Amino acid sequence: DAGVTQSPTHLIKTRGQQVTLRCSPKSGHDTVSWYQQALGQGPQFIFQYYEEEERQRGNFPDRFSGHQFPNYSSELNVNALLLGDSALYLCASSFGSSGANVLTFGAGSRLTVL
Amino acid sequence: QKEVEQDPGPLSVPEGAIVSLNCTYSNSAFQYFMWYRQYSRKGPELLMYTYSSGNKEDGRFTAQVDKSSKYISLFIRDSQPSDSATYLCAMSALVGTYKYIFGTGTRLKVLA
Repeated sequence: DAGVTQSPTHLIKTRGQQVTLRCSPKSGHDTVSWYQQALGQGPQFIFQYYEEEERQRGNFPDRFSGHQFPNYSSELNVNALLLGDSALYLCASSFGSSGANVLTFGAGSRLTVL
Repeated sequence: QKEVEQDPGPLSVPEGAIVSLNCTYSNSAFQYFMWYRQYSRKGPELLMYTYSSGNKEDGRFTAQVDKSSKYISLFIRDSQPSDSATYLCAMSALVGTYKYIFGTGTRLKVLA
């Protein structure tokens, strides 16, 4: 049973560029959340997608956007990259519409902005 | 003040010791509490999940929630070198939100 898969695992970009990160949820899960984890910090909530809609957003600027596809997979896009966007980006999947569902995380995509 | 406070450590213990990891929080609306283990350069892995107050045990792990004190704990019995990792607490309110708030994580090192 495949867990949450994320791609790419590592990438390096320069300031001002754009990046797209991808996530396939665990089999049977229909909800995808994205978290940013800076070095030495806990994950910070970016947003959550359910039924192809963004249903909650954390305290992140509009440069961060996302999408969920009919097969429940998801993308995270970050425009106009800043040095401070360097972090591990974690995708977490869960099942159902309740806010109280346990998250299953992927291994993350490590983004370095130079 | 952060919503969730967690001592970053590092915490070093000898093999076989009982480990106590703790988080405090300020939001009385939190109802769901989780503990994740994260190995270096990996994603967090769920260890324990509790709802409201009380204790929950799973093998060598025990999670405690004291809502009156806004304090949660994770105990690891008979700690092993393979338990060396960062332990993250996470919590969420029951209603009106879908996000979990994480602590900064405590780095644990179990010495053989």
